Amino acid sequence: AQTVTQSQPEMSVQEAETVTLSCTYDTSESDYYLFWYKQPPSRQMILVIRQEAYKQQNATENRFSVNFQKAAKSFSLKISDSQLGDAAMYFCAYRRAQGGKLIFGQGTELSVKP
Amino acid sequence: DAGVIQSPRHEVTEMGQEVTLRCKPISGHNSLFWYRQTMMRGLELLIYFNNNVPIDDSGMPEDRFSAKMPNASFSTLKIQPSEPRDSAVYFCASSLGARAYNEQFFGPGTRLTVL
Repeated sequence: AQTVTQSQPEMSVQEAETVTLSCTYDTSESDYYLFWYKQPPSRQMILVIRQEAYKQQNATENRFSVNFQKAAKSFSLKISDSQLGDAAMYFCAYRRAQGGKLIFGQGTELSVKP
Repeated sequence: DAGVIQSPRHEVTEMGQEVTLRCKPISGHNSLFWYRQTMMRGLELLIYFNNNVPIDDSGMPEDRFSAKMPNASFSTLKIQPSEPRDSAVYFCASSLGARAYNEQFFGPGTRLTVL
């Protein structure tokens, strides 16, 4: 069975600084996708970034980038130039390429200090 | 464009009562997912439909839970009878296709409290 682990329940960053959220996963599959979702206090789940396992190049979306280490089964999220609006719960998630359910980690609560 | 619509946003009920949660997916999306979020178990999939057909219901906790998708624009998740341990936030999500590269768009969630 696939599992996703986020070992940092809480993280804090100063506004305009950079922060990295960690995620590890376990799977025997070779083709899959990894995601980072943001859940602000409004509860709305928002897709931040996704990575296809067969692509070696790390995905980037503006201030958000990932460090995907397939052999180590590691998928960290880097937020550059942190903004107050980045404060939220962040979830790492896995999904088989064929589809099916998203498997979520436990989440990391990020606070941004002004 | 309207996103995924869920109703009600909040529901408070007493143990033993029937609860029905509703979801309208984004128009044109043919895959629909029901997730539950609790402090203890985090986010977990309950069931998902593709073209109105249930594909994976292995996450449905027990017979008290049932889900239907009578047409492409509406789905319900019913709990009967409800129990305090069912208290959670229930999310509905939809996507254009069931493959992993099809982004799932989440609704705002329904916060259910069972007293």
